Amino acid sequence: DQQVKQNSPSLSVQEGRISILNCDYTNSMFDYFLWYKKYPAEGPTFLISISSIKDKNEDGRFTVFLNKSAKHLSLHIVPSQPGDSAVYFCAATYTGTASKLTFGTGTRLQVTL
Amino acid sequence: DSGVTQTPKHLITATGQRVTLRCSPRSGDLSVYWYQQSLDQGLQFLIQYYNGEERAKGNILERFSAQQFPDLHSELNLSSLELGDSALYFCASSSNPNTEAFFGQGTRLTVV
Repeated sequence: DQQVKQNSPSLSVQEGRISILNCDYTNSMFDYFLWYKKYPAEGPTFLISISSIKDKNEDGRFTVFLNKSAKHLSLHIVPSQPGDSAVYFCAATYTGTASKLTFGTGTRLQVTL
Repeated sequence: DSGVTQTPKHLITATGQRVTLRCSPRSGDLSVYWYQQSLDQGLQFLIQYYNGEERAKGNILERFSAQQFPDLHSELNLSSLELGDSALYFCASSSNPNTEAFFGQGTRLTVV
């Protein structure tokens, strides 16, 4: 049962353009969402998060949008840079005592020159 | 550098063997998580410990076990290894279960 889904395995974007990575979830108990970036042979690196009490969180070139009614979140990267090329994982959790991060399967972003 | 240290980085072993993966969390972090990433798969949650106690269990096989010690480091024990256990095993830590987790660089296990 895949509770967090990233339906696009890969995405190619030109340098300077906007990258939009999407994520859907099914568990309505999730109330905290995170994006991680992963380079080959490295562990995932925390990028940005959003609580369910917000619908938008911004950090520099990265913005995460949350649509609770649609159970959908997206990560926008503007402008995209070649160094952003990596696998991006969406993750979700809930503020319970046994909370854990549930990850999507990832989207490979390639930013081309 | 996330502050989470995993050893060894690479491990090659034969089927039927047993291995131990080690994780040192970030200083002060009480929560430790173990994740498995098989080829072209997402990160599958295995188990979580908080201050020495098991807090949550995911899709962890009975052949696998883990523990967190009083100094907060954690070990993941994998026994009766099968070819399908070949994967990247990641450890992550957080200050409490409700905040973002920081990942180590992983241990690549190859079972031959």
